[in-house]
Amino acid sequence: QSVLTQPPSASGTPGQRVTISCSGSSSNIGSNTVNWYQQLPGTAPKLLIYSNNQRPSGVPDRFSGSKSGTSASLAISGLQSEDEADYYCAAWDDSLNAHVVFGGGTKLTVL
Amino acid sequence: QVQLQESGPGLVKPSQTLSLTCTVSGGSISSGGYYWSWIRQHPGKGLEWIGYIYYSGSTYYNPSLKSRVTISVDTSKNQFSLKLSSVTAADTAVYYCARGLIGGVIQYWGQGTLVTVSS
Repeated sequence: QSVLTQPPSASGTPGQRVTISCSGSSSNIGSNTVNWYQQLPGTAPKLLIYSNNQRPSGVPDRFSGSKSGTSASLAISGLQSEDEADYYCAAWDDSLNAHVVFGGGTKLTVL
Repeated sequence: QVQLQESGPGLVKPSQTLSLTCTVSGGSISSGGYYWSWIRQHPGKGLEWIGYIYYSGSTYYNPSLKSRVTISVDTSKNQFSLKLSSVTAADTAVYYCARGLIGGVIQYWGQGTLVTVSS
């Protein structure tokens, strides 16, 4: 059972806009920034969004992130076939033993 | 650009200690500012943060693994290591080493190495 809650799956057609949600609590998303990772099939995860809405160099501006309260969202506009991957949200958790927590991941299918 | 490479046994017997090393190239562990992390992924499952170490030796561990985990750093070799004791089949996973920032942002990942726990 992951600390952060994501839908297990999402889908869209090429060109569409899709969003993936991530729900947490006051000890993680509510008090810290959210990061998103993309894991293409058979590869290591890659940092996609950091500090809620910042894109590392090389990440297309089709990817955007937002946060409100104890929830966050990843939006992908102009969906492309190469976006088919697993997406994970993560945040620092300030509970008794501070540590990084991940969402369970969302498998995005491009129809 | 920094690159990370995991190495270690791919098969470990139950009750033994899993030991992995991550070799960093393209940057110095002792330059500061970064947190050297281990993350694992059970087959077909999501990501689980194991812990990280700063070059000075300060560590943070996942509370669910804390009693069995030790992460150490060897700045002379530009490496950091993971030891996980008393392993069971539940510790079978792909283990990734990574470089991150304070607060848990994981910037760069190794390719990962599969460790299977089996007799």
